[in-house]
Amino acid sequence: DAKTTQPPSMDCAEGRAANLPCNHSTISGNEYVYWYRQIHSQGPQYIIHGLKNNETNEMASLIITEDRKSSTLILPHATLRDTAVYYCIVRVGVAGTYKYIFGTGTRLKVLA
Amino acid sequence: KAGVTQTPRYLIKTRGQQVTLSCSPISGHRSVSWYQQTPGQGLQFLFEYFSETQRNKGNFPGRFSGRQFSNSRSEMNVSTLELGDSALYLCASSGGTGGYTEAFFGQGTRLTVV
Repeated sequence: DAKTTQPPSMDCAEGRAANLPCNHSTISGNEYVYWYRQIHSQGPQYIIHGLKNNETNEMASLIITEDRKSSTLILPHATLRDTAVYYCIVRVGVAGTYKYIFGTGTRLKVLA
Repeated sequence: KAGVTQTPRYLIKTRGQQVTLSCSPISGHRSVSWYQQTPGQGLQFLFEYFSETQRNKGNFPGRFSGRQFSNSRSEMNVSTLELGDSALYLCASSGGTGGYTEAFFGQGTRLTVV
């Protein structure tokens, strides 16, 4: 069963920040949150991941609440090429063997 | 650095046949996972291999099997194909010399069963 809940769709104006929320209220203490996106049924593309602290890379920022029950992916300046399905994923398993539990994702549409 | 390579990209098979899909992971990655993506069920974990051993398995029937070779390349096999097996099959590799890394996905093999 999916461990994450995301809104099915969102729109964002080009150039504005896209804030994609995710609920993971049943996440365990050692389970990481990962974000991937998928464009036109290509393979999912890794964006960012985190455990407790907020994270930032060249693509996005990840804000995780203190209780770890939810997180937000931020694309600071959305472009048309960011239109995709965004998956918030919990990585489950023990050291050495992991699997991703995918939810249904958020279809983000960036509008010109 | 080359990414994850899956072959073939597209396949059409008839019910009852079997099919083998191939995945070459990123160089140095030893873990290979397989996922099935369908419109109805979304992305679901099939199994994961590491050093030629299956370490993790999802909730799929025994018709779905896989293996990994000593060079970390992996194959998955589906026997006695059913119409419901039509899906995008994705392979992901992870783990380098430094331990676990995020998973990198290939472009997938789109299987159509008719």
